[in-house]
Amino acid sequence: NAGVTQTPKFRILKIGQSMTLQCTQDMNHNYMYWYRQDPGMGLKLIYYSVGAGITDKGEVPNGYNVSRSTTEDFPLRLELAAPSQTSVYFCASSYSGGSGSETYEQYFGPGTRLTVT
Amino acid sequence: GNSVTQMEGPVTLSEEAFLTINCTYTATGYPSLFWYVQYPGEGLQLLLKATKADDKGSNKGFEATYRKETTSFHLEKGSVQVSDSAVYFCALSSTGANNLFFGTGTRLTVIP
Repeated sequence: NAGVTQTPKFRILKIGQSMTLQCTQDMNHNYMYWYRQDPGMGLKLIYYSVGAGITDKGEVPNGYNVSRSTTEDFPLRLELAAPSQTSVYFCASSYSGGSGSETYEQYFGPGTRLTVT
Repeated sequence: GNSVTQMEGPVTLSEEAFLTINCTYTATGYPSLFWYVQYPGEGLQLLLKATKADDKGSNKGFEATYRKETTSFHLEKGSVQVSDSAVYFCALSSTGANNLFFGTGTRLTVIP
């Protein structure tokens, strides 16, 4: 059981380049999330998904896109990289029974450190 | 709205010292509260949680009590070890939601 895996671990992009951060989970979780962690700050939610085919914006979605074609995968796309997107990106997943009253643990991947210069 | 205010770091303690990391929150409804820990080079791991007022979460010698009257969820440990060196994040999840709101994190270094 690998949990949540992310690739790559590190990446340096030039301004204006694009890339996709990969995230895969093998726990059959229905919810998945992308967060960014800036130095000295907490994590902020970029996008999340409650199931295959369904995605929604978080606090800081501008400059990013996501898709969720399968339960396991939740890639994050940067189309035109900007220095403000230099950050550490964490993918997470959790299970929800759908009752709205349960709060389940989120499992995090090891992160991708992205630098845009 | 939802927000978490966490004690500024970094915190440096000697082994076996007592640890307190303060956390207060603002939330609508009845949030669930969490402490996550991030060891160097790794992702975040859930340390403990509490889902209603007066609940106490505990794990690995760490404890935190959900105090609705003071909107607080302070993390404590009676005797820290070098292996507790990490960054600790307080977080909340509001009623019916799954996304987390995080504090800024507190870096703890324990020296032998």
